[in-house]
Amino acid sequence: DTGVSQDPRHKITKRGQNVTFRCDPISEHNRLYWYRQTLGQGPEFLTYFQNEAQLEKSRLLSDRFSAERPKGSFSTLEIQRTEQGDSAMYLCASSYGGLDGYTFGSGTRLTVV
Amino acid sequence: KNEVEQSPQNLTAQEGEFITINCSYSVGISALHWLQQHPGGGIVSLFMLSSGKKKHGRLIATINIQEKHSSLHITASHPRDSAVYICAVRSAIQGAQKLVFGQGTRLTINP
Repeated sequence: DTGVSQDPRHKITKRGQNVTFRCDPISEHNRLYWYRQTLGQGPEFLTYFQNEAQLEKSRLLSDRFSAERPKGSFSTLEIQRTEQGDSAMYLCASSYGGLDGYTFGSGTRLTVV
Repeated sequence: KNEVEQSPQNLTAQEGEFITINCSYSVGISALHWLQQHPGGGIVSLFMLSSGKKKHGRLIATINIQEKHSSLHITASHPRDSAVYICAVRSAIQGAQKLVFGQGTRLTINP
């Protein structure tokens, strides 16, 4: 297992376009998390899945954001009608049972121009 | 006031120095994580603590649950230790899974 994979690593998009990011967690991990990190700040929680169920969403996740984990394996995070304020690093992490430490992916850096 | 506060925000030291980074939090927690983030964004988990002390190589992490405080120590620091170190806590509320992060401490070790 190669850890948590995120794709793409970098994305530059024009304001108003839609973007989709993918996260492949560690295969045995049933929990998957999305976080957002802006420059100079610590990550902020966006949403969390246990298997395919989305159990918690942050108020940061506006109507333009949607996340799915259809088969309880990989997850996608879509941002519609991107805004410059969406520019950030989007981090995915996974864990098993909540008792183990998290494993983070390398992140997707989004730049909205 | 943030739920998780780290100090200092920036730390520059000479190679070989003993480094201490502090983390204070204001909520009841089930676990505290220390994480390392290098330029480019990837985050590596260093420790997960719920009590006491853990050691891995030159890194030591301690936690005092009563005082809601944790420290990360680096002995014999090296330029390759230069990174952002982040403290994150998991709430003690049943079912809570998300991490709440501090703002990070940027550590620079000069040769």
